[in-house]
Amino acid sequence: AQSVSQHNHHVILSEAASLELGCNYSYGGTVNLFWYVQYPGQHLQLLLKYFSGDPLVKGIKGFEAEFIKSKFSFNLRKPSVQWSDTAEYFCAVKPGYSSASKIIFGSGTRLSIRP
Amino acid sequence: GAVVSQHPSWVICKSGTSVKIECRSLDFQATTMFWYRQFPKQSLMLMATSNEGSKATYEQGVEKDKFLINHASLTLSTLTVTSAHPEDSSFYICSARQGSNQETQYFGPGTRLLVL
Repeated sequence: AQSVSQHNHHVILSEAASLELGCNYSYGGTVNLFWYVQYPGQHLQLLLKYFSGDPLVKGIKGFEAEFIKSKFSFNLRKPSVQWSDTAEYFCAVKPGYSSASKIIFGSGTRLSIRP
Repeated sequence: GAVVSQHPSWVICKSGTSVKIECRSLDFQATTMFWYRQFPKQSLMLMATSNEGSKATYEQGVEKDKFLINHASLTLSTLTVTSAHPEDSSFYICSARQGSNQETQYFGPGTRLLVL
């Protein structure tokens, strides 16, 4: 079965530190890839997405992610985090082109930023 | 970006009663809407996919007679939890997709259900 793995359940960083959150998926075909963020008490928001083209994707708020097909990975990065980045981050994968294919979410990574 | 609303944002009900949750796409027409359930500190689990005007497609293990989904228009989908029990207490989130397969899903703010 297709799955999405986020290796870190909880990451704690200080402000200005660099961030990398891992995401791996198990599906051999074409995929659409997403990172969503859920700030405390708020709904899921799309950070960035990859459908095709340049595997380095720029998102909102200074986030970026790199699709490495050979590693089945789509890691999220930010060079310098801020306290306001404290949130839950979800990686998601939509296998294939079919409109019937569903988005599969990872278990999420909670990011806590120390001021 | 596109906005999806949910109503109510939270609800407390007695065991055995039914609860209806609405999901609306405010500034776009949603051909497909999705209903998820999120347990504390866990990921979103897809419950069902609904296309406007047709029956919802439920995920394995989700009781369609317990979680009734109606997608009567391109801007509204409802989830009714029938004969709710305490184990149905959860955070229910809907999302909406505007059109083709490539379109992004936009998520609602969620509805927290507590069944006493």
